[in-house]
Amino acid sequence: KNQVEQSPQSLIILEGKNCTLQCNYTVSPFSNLRWYKQDTGRGPVSLTIMTFSENTKSNGRYTATLDADTKQSSLHITASQLSDSASYICVVSPEGDKLIFGTGTRLQVFP
Amino acid sequence: NAGVTQTPKFQVLKTGQSMTLQCAQDMNHEYMSWYRQDPGMGLRLIHYSVGAGITDQGEVPNGYNVSRSTTEDFPLRLLSAAPSQTSVYFCASSYSRVSSGNTIYFGEGSWLTVV
Repeated sequence: KNQVEQSPQSLIILEGKNCTLQCNYTVSPFSNLRWYKQDTGRGPVSLTIMTFSENTKSNGRYTATLDADTKQSSLHITASQLSDSASYICVVSPEGDKLIFGTGTRLQVFP
Repeated sequence: NAGVTQTPKFQVLKTGQSMTLQCAQDMNHEYMSWYRQDPGMGLRLIHYSVGAGITDQGEVPNGYNVSRSTTEDFPLRLLSAAPSQTSVYFCASSYSRVSSGNTIYFGEGSWLTVV
């Protein structure tokens, strides 16, 4: 069964620190992997999109990596800010028209 | 540029009532879809459309209807609301099919409570 699992479920860090969120998937075959940021009460916003042939993709302080052999992805946040407090969702697209969403990691950044 | 616009933002329904969640995009996107988000679960696909006049079912289509008469609009109809349909609903759009790798844009969500 196609699944996307994220860890940790929640994370608390201090402002200015770095953190890494994990995503493991069993989707096969897959065409691309996405990371989204969802602020409380808002819709998800795209951070990165990677195809199966890409290993890394950056968007400002956000860097996503992909290991298609182990079916793992990570999202690294550098020099965290209070505005990074949100849920981060890993989304995998198998071939076709559908997406498979992880349940997200809830990140809280405290001053 | 408004992006993806959903209305209403909040709605309370009584069991058995029907209603329509509106979704409009102004980016000339072919692909549009509806998801529901429940606590502790990932977003789940309800229905999607790859172009005007074409719709298909997603993972959880029961109790919902859609139509796509124009490229811009993709309304979601609840036929006879049930408490199990209490959820947050998101509309999304992208230039082409999701497997293509195009950015998918989400609306701000519609909070629906069925009592």
